[in-house]
Amino acid sequence: NAGVMQNPRHLVRRRGQEARLRCSPMKGHSHVYWYRQLPEEGLKFMVYLQKENIIDESGMPKERFSAEFPKEGPSILRIQQVVRGDSAAYFCASSPPRREGGTDTQYFGPGTRLTVL
Amino acid sequence: TQLLEQSPQFLSIQEGENLTVYCNSSSVFSSLQWYRQEPGEGPVLLVTVVTGGEVKKLKRLTFQFGDARKDSSLHITAAQPGDTGLYLCAGAGRGFKTIFGAGTRLFVKA
Repeated sequence: NAGVMQNPRHLVRRRGQEARLRCSPMKGHSHVYWYRQLPEEGLKFMVYLQKENIIDESGMPKERFSAEFPKEGPSILRIQQVVRGDSAAYFCASSPPRREGGTDTQYFGPGTRLTVL
Repeated sequence: TQLLEQSPQFLSIQEGENLTVYCNSSSVFSSLQWYRQEPGEGPVLLVTVVTGGEVKKLKRLTFQFGDARKDSSLHITAAQPGDTGLYLCAGAGRGFKTIFGAGTRLFVKA
């Protein structure tokens, strides 16, 4: 079984460019999370999606950030007009469906390390 | 705001020593999870504790969930260099959020 795949593993962008991060969930999983991790910190929840639907985006910055999980293909986290403060590791995790306030088992990908010059 | 505070932030010990790391909150969580993350990789789930007072063992690792479900601890017996890593606790937050602590970075010297 292939695990969660993320690409690219490393991404370098200049200020003002766009960054697109891709995540393919584990086979059989229909839900994905995106997290951001700064050096020496824990993971910060950004968004929880199922195919063609955003379930919870309460951790996502209101501007420049968007996420989608189309019916076909990987989930995409898109950051427009990147700034230096966007430099971080971005992790995707996939899981079976989760009920609100409940617990699930999340399987994490290896992350994409974004560096904004 | 639901927060999880982990302590210590950093721990460096000799092989064979025992250690305990803590995860505390002022909020009640329906469950807490412990993850281990190695450099350049994503976190890997170690255990989920659900019931207040619950104790779970995973080889040399012992996990405990506080009676009030506000805190948890991870105890490692006879630490080995392979235990080196970042240990994260996480809890189910409001909605579909997962709240992570900032982690305890463990370094076990041979």
